[in-house]
Amino acid sequence: AQTVTQSQPEMSVQEAETVTLSCTYDTSESDYYLFWYKQPPSRQMILVIRQEAYKQQNATENRFSVNFQKAAKSFSLKISDSQLGDAAMYFCAYRSAGFQKLVFGTGTRLLVSP
Amino acid sequence: EPEVTQTPSHQVTQMGQEVILRCVPISNHLYFYWYRQILGQKVEFLVSFYNNEISEKSEIFDDQFSVERPDGSNFTLKIRSTKLEDSAMYFCASSPPGQAASPNEQYFGPGTRLTVT
Repeated sequence: AQTVTQSQPEMSVQEAETVTLSCTYDTSESDYYLFWYKQPPSRQMILVIRQEAYKQQNATENRFSVNFQKAAKSFSLKISDSQLGDAAMYFCAYRSAGFQKLVFGTGTRLLVSP
Repeated sequence: EPEVTQTPSHQVTQMGQEVILRCVPISNHLYFYWYRQILGQKVEFLVSFYNNEISEKSEIFDDQFSVERPDGSNFTLKIRSTKLEDSAMYFCASSPPGQAASPNEQYFGPGTRLTVT
C-alpha cells in the first residue's frame, strides 16, 4: 500500500520569505500523480499544485513550485514571496494512475508572520 | 466559482443511531467521493462513486456505510448504526469528467463534523 509522510508538523515563515514543505512517499508503482492541497482555517481543501510522475519537469503555479525527485520519492513544495494568506494546513497527496483514491499525509501547518 | 457544499456543518448523534451526511457536488462533475479525518489523524479515503455505483472503496467502508445519489444533485453518506469511533470530520469531494488515468482535481467540500456520544 502507498504511504505519504510529511515530517514537519508545523513550519513558520515571514512575509516575503521562501519556505519549503517536505513530503516523501512510498510506492512500487511507476505511474502516479502527486498533489499539494491547502486547507485554510475553517475552509475547504483546495488544490495548490499537481505533478504527473512521468513528467520530469517540476510543476510551477505562480509562487508555488515543487521539487519532484522520483528516485528519492520526494515531492517538496516551495512557496516563494510568502503572503499572510498562505497560512494554512498543507497536505501532500498521492494517487495511483487508473484509480481515484487520494492517499494523504498528515499535513504541515504553515504559519506566516508579518 | 462553483463549490461543493455539505450539510450539516456539525452533527451530533447517539451511538447506535443512523446518520445521513449530505453533499451537493459541483453540477457537471461525474465522480464523487467521501473521505474522513479523525481528529489528529490523516485524511482517509472511504469511497468513490461513478455512474451510479461504487467504483472504489476502502477497508473502512464496511456494511455500516452506504452511499447514494438520490436525485441527481445530492450525494449522501449513510452510517447505519454509529459507533464512537465514527466521530470524525467527513469530507465530500467531486471531480469533473475525464479518464481515470488523468490527474483530475478533486474539489472538496468544507466537511461535516460528526460527533457520536
